[in-house]
Amino acid sequence: QKEVEQNSGPLSVPEGAIASLNCTYSDRGSQSFFWYRQYSGKSPELIMSIYSNGDKEDGRFTAQLNKASQYVSLLIRDSQPSDSATYLCAVLNFNKFYFGSGTKLNVKP
Amino acid sequence: DAGITQSPRYKITETGRQVTLMCHQTWSHSYMFWYRQDLGHGLRLIYYSAAADITDKGEVPDGYVVSRSKTENFPLTLESATRSQTSVYFCASSPDPEGYEQYFGPGTRLTVT
Repeated sequence: QKEVEQNSGPLSVPEGAIASLNCTYSDRGSQSFFWYRQYSGKSPELIMSIYSNGDKEDGRFTAQLNKASQYVSLLIRDSQPSDSATYLCAVLNFNKFYFGSGTKLNVKP
Repeated sequence: DAGITQSPRYKITETGRQVTLMCHQTWSHSYMFWYRQDLGHGLRLIYYSAAADITDKGEVPDGYVVSRSKTENFPLTLESATRSQTSVYFCASSPDPEGYEQYFGPGTRLTVT
């Protein structure tokens, strides 16, 4: 079983809609969780980090963490074509990052 | 320029050859990481370093060697390259992965023929 699982997509949403990206992890002791965005041919960039149960909002992005269900999600409100990218979920365990394989998001104008 | 750089950006080598990928950061971050990215696998940690002269294995360390004699440099060596090591390699750095962002370099695309 992989440490971090994501649906590979592609997830297609119309412009202005809410995009919902999901991630599950296997190590119940994981403490820190991250969402990265990666454009094709580019390096990953951090969008959100979340450390405690609940929601964390930053602009159009909301990260949600449920440690009991070992589940992390990212909501993107008012999706824009520029949000089209691959979104990587990452979990930190004792200085080691484990990444999911990423979900490709397509936002259609 | 400040930031994190990788060299070379592209490399083609033959099976069995030794290859070294370079990573340099100007922030004096304590932590540095090497990842490989393959289709369908996302990013996988090869090795990381918490400080100069301190390194530890990640998820996929076999076939790779690292060293960190200076804080700013973290070279990754493939001792005897194999076709399965064809990948995009990313270096990253962070002041502290628990509380701070991890910054990625631009990547090195390595092809082993």
